[in-house]
Amino acid sequence: GQNIDQPTEMTATEGAIVQINCTYQTSGFNGLFWYQQHAGEAPTFLSYNVLDGLEEKGRFSSFLSRSKGYSYLLLKELQMKDSASYLCAVLDSNYQLIWGAGTKLIIKP
Amino acid sequence: IAGITQAPTSQILAAGRRMTLRCTQDMRHNAMYWYRQDLGLGLRLIHYSNTAGTTGKGEVPDGYSVSRANTDDFPLTLASAVPSQTSVYFCASEAGLAGGYTGELFFGEGSRLTVL
Repeated sequence: GQNIDQPTEMTATEGAIVQINCTYQTSGFNGLFWYQQHAGEAPTFLSYNVLDGLEEKGRFSSFLSRSKGYSYLLLKELQMKDSASYLCAVLDSNYQLIWGAGTKLIIKP
Repeated sequence: IAGITQAPTSQILAAGRRMTLRCTQDMRHNAMYWYRQDLGLGLRLIHYSNTAGTTGKGEVPDGYSVSRANTDDFPLTLASAVPSQTSVYFCASEAGLAGGYTGELFFGEGSRLTVL
């Protein structure tokens, strides 16, 4: 079966750095996505990786290792507004998105 | 309208009632999706449509039906609601076809449905 694992909840301090991991086992791979979802709101697209390596976009970076079935989202200089759930998703061989349950990130002052 | 609009934003209904969740987009996207989101679970695909006039079943289609009469609208119908259909429902779209199915989805604000 297809499976995406990520931690349920993480806590970090304002101004610090946090890394949210995601491991996946899917039938085929056409890219890995990270979405941000604030409580009570819709998910919004953050990043996309299809090749191995690091993609940087401002304070957020996303890393992919296809051989290990592994990705992480790195958030730097954390701000209170970064408190949200972060969803990892993989585009499988049928071009359907398979979603992880999400990681709730709590930022403390 | 800018993006995707869902209605209603919240609804409580009795078991056995019929309910239609509406979804309209103005981005001329080809592909549209309905997901449900439950606590502790990832987004689960109910139904999808790659282009107007076509629909397909997702991971959890039972008890739900959809139609795609035109590019903009993609309503989701619960023929006879049951308590297990209590959830938050998200409609989403992406460009698709010539733009490719990239996985970059645009979501509506969600419809919170409670079935008693």
